[in-house]
Amino acid sequence: GIQVEQSPPDLILQEGANSTLRCNFSDSVNNLQWFHQNPWGQLINLFYIPSGTKQNGRLSATTVATERYSLLYISSSQTTDSGVYFCAPNTNAGKSTFGDGTTLTVKP
Amino acid sequence: EPEVTQTPSHQVTQMGQEVILRCVPISNHLYFYWYRQILGQKVEFLVSFYNNEISEKSEIFDDQFSVERPDGSNFTLKIRSTKLEDSAMYFCASIGREGRDTQYFGPGTRLTVL
Repeated sequence: GIQVEQSPPDLILQEGANSTLRCNFSDSVNNLQWFHQNPWGQLINLFYIPSGTKQNGRLSATTVATERYSLLYISSSQTTDSGVYFCAPNTNAGKSTFGDGTTLTVKP
Repeated sequence: EPEVTQTPSHQVTQMGQEVILRCVPISNHLYFYWYRQILGQKVEFLVSFYNNEISEKSEIFDDQFSVERPDGSNFTLKIRSTKLEDSAMYFCASIGREGRDTQYFGPGTRLTVL
């Protein structure tokens, strides 16, 4: 099955800093989603991004499907951005394969 | 914004007991999924369901697990005889068009097996 690697595994930032999270995947995908898991364990969908670039406020994402990677950018980070960020490519089978996640800690 | 709902939000059970986790997918969706996440680990695929049958399942989804769509709205995951290692967060998800649309996840059910 498809392999998904996320980096870095852990990231500690000061409030206001910018960051880039990376997701590499081993196979062609139909789509890709980025999630933020909040402290209550809920998966919050950030982006559905099979290719190209999307922006939503301080967050943006880029997927280069031909090179099998996606990037999540967080600008002017806030303490509420803390949590685990998951990348989840979705193949023809319809199921999502999650990476191990990046744990982001934003310090005040 | 459409949403997937799950009940209960938290279930505590004794080892060996049967549990049924319930999900209401988005009403016009056709493809349904269960995932689980053991505490501190990544989210893992369990099973996908389409047209009233299982379309794919992982090695985790053994004979102790079953899924059902008993009516036009509910989608359930049953664990027949729970084990300690079944303790996890269980997520239900649905898609309108397989692999070509946003996969919507429910808020999860936290299952604790004692």
